[in-house]
Amino acid sequence: GAVVSQHPSRVICKSGTSVKIECRSLDFQATTMFWYRQFPKQSLMLMATSNEGSKATYEQGVEKDKFLINHASLTLSTLTVTSAHPEDSSFYICSARDGTGGRDSLHFGNGTRLTVT
Amino acid sequence: AQSVTQLDSQVPVFEEAPVELRCNYSSSVSVYLFWYVQYPNQGLQLLLKYLSGSTLVKGINGFEAEFNKSQTSFHLRKPSVHISDTAEYFCAALSSGNTPLVFGKGTRLSVIA
Repeated sequence: GAVVSQHPSRVICKSGTSVKIECRSLDFQATTMFWYRQFPKQSLMLMATSNEGSKATYEQGVEKDKFLINHASLTLSTLTVTSAHPEDSSFYICSARDGTGGRDSLHFGNGTRLTVT
Repeated sequence: AQSVTQLDSQVPVFEEAPVELRCNYSSSVSVYLFWYVQYPNQGLQLLLKYLSGSTLVKGINGFEAEFNKSQTSFHLRKPSVHISDTAEYFCAALSSGNTPLVFGKGTRLSVIA
């Protein structure tokens, strides 16, 4: 079945550094990928919608310059948390939409747990 | 805009008892519905989904859900829970088109021995 690989699964970084998270669709082309953030004991919050070859669409309240999203190919989207701070510690999840061949299904990565010290 | 309401934030239940986790969605247009489970320190795992067809959907780990259009509900059920079912459960809805999944706030299921 369709698989979305998200890497790394866990990352610990120091305050002020940048962290890149990759989201890959392994056996389908994802024209659209979504990035979510999950706070402890809360639901997921959509951060941005990423379309291949164009700029990401950010949700209100999400800082574009802090959370850089790149969707350079149909199988890869990256989220870079720049100048990370402890309050950025969270669980980040990507999802990729497979709309090919008459399908319309959404597949999730396993998430990345970011801890900023 | 689509919204998803999970009425219970926490549901404690004894082992081997039945459980129902409630979910209501707002949109009246075509909608796909999902239930996800999140075990501690893990990502989301799809339990089941409703796209079309039979309104009773069976998923993994013995879970099932019933799509009720008139009540705009998609409640998740399991006839007999196990300790290992303790987790956070998310209901989600997806409208057709290029829209992201909309999640409910989640229900924490705690199975008590």
